[in-house]
Amino acid sequence: QSVLTQPPSVSAAPGQRVTISCSGSNSNIEKYPVSWYQHLPGTAPKLLIYHSHQRPSGIPDRFSGSKSGTSATLDIAGLQAGDEADYYCETWDTTLSAVVFGGGTRLTVL
Amino acid sequence: QVQLVESGGGVVQPGGSLRLSCAASGFTFSDHAIHWVRQAPGKGLEWVGVIWSDGSNKYYADSVKGRFIISRDNSKNTLSLQMNTLRASDTAIYYCARDRGPVAGTSFDSWGQGTLVTVSS
Repeated sequence: QSVLTQPPSVSAAPGQRVTISCSGSNSNIEKYPVSWYQHLPGTAPKLLIYHSHQRPSGIPDRFSGSKSGTSATLDIAGLQAGDEADYYCETWDTTLSAVVFGGGTRLTVL
Repeated sequence: QVQLVESGGGVVQPGGSLRLSCAASGFTFSDHAIHWVRQAPGKGLEWVGVIWSDGSNKYYADSVKGRFIISRDNSKNTLSLQMNTLRASDTAIYYCARDRGPVAGTSFDSWGQGTLVTVSS
């Protein structure tokens, strides 16, 4: 049972937009910025979003993040086949004094 | 460019010990906290622990607290994870990951390729 709750899976057609949610609490998301990672099996995870909405250099603006209260979202616009991967949210939890990840969301591009 | 390379994985019996290493290059190692993150077969990412840039603070997940120890040598740009009293549930790919800042709480902007640890008799 993850501290941060994500939907197990989402799907959409190429070119469409998808939103992945991440629900936490007042001991984690409400207090700290959220990061998002893309993970393809057999590869190193990649940072997509930090500080809840900032993109590292090289990450296309099709990827965007936001946070409100105890929840955060990752939006992916203009879906491409190469976006098929697992996506994780992450932040710090002050009660646990630990980093917490969401359970991960498998994105399928139909 | 930033590079993190894990080593030391392998097969170990339950109750045994293993030491993983992470060799860093391409950046000022002493400016960044470094984390260990693992992924068990068929499961999601699980944070293991972190050591601050100067080694002054370490935090661990409850699942490994008291069994795993993180250390670093800033003169050699290396990070270690000493894993003791290993359990089958510790079987996973272990990644080292660089924090954007000197302390935990920002994000992991570079990751190694991982090293596989299998705990089995």
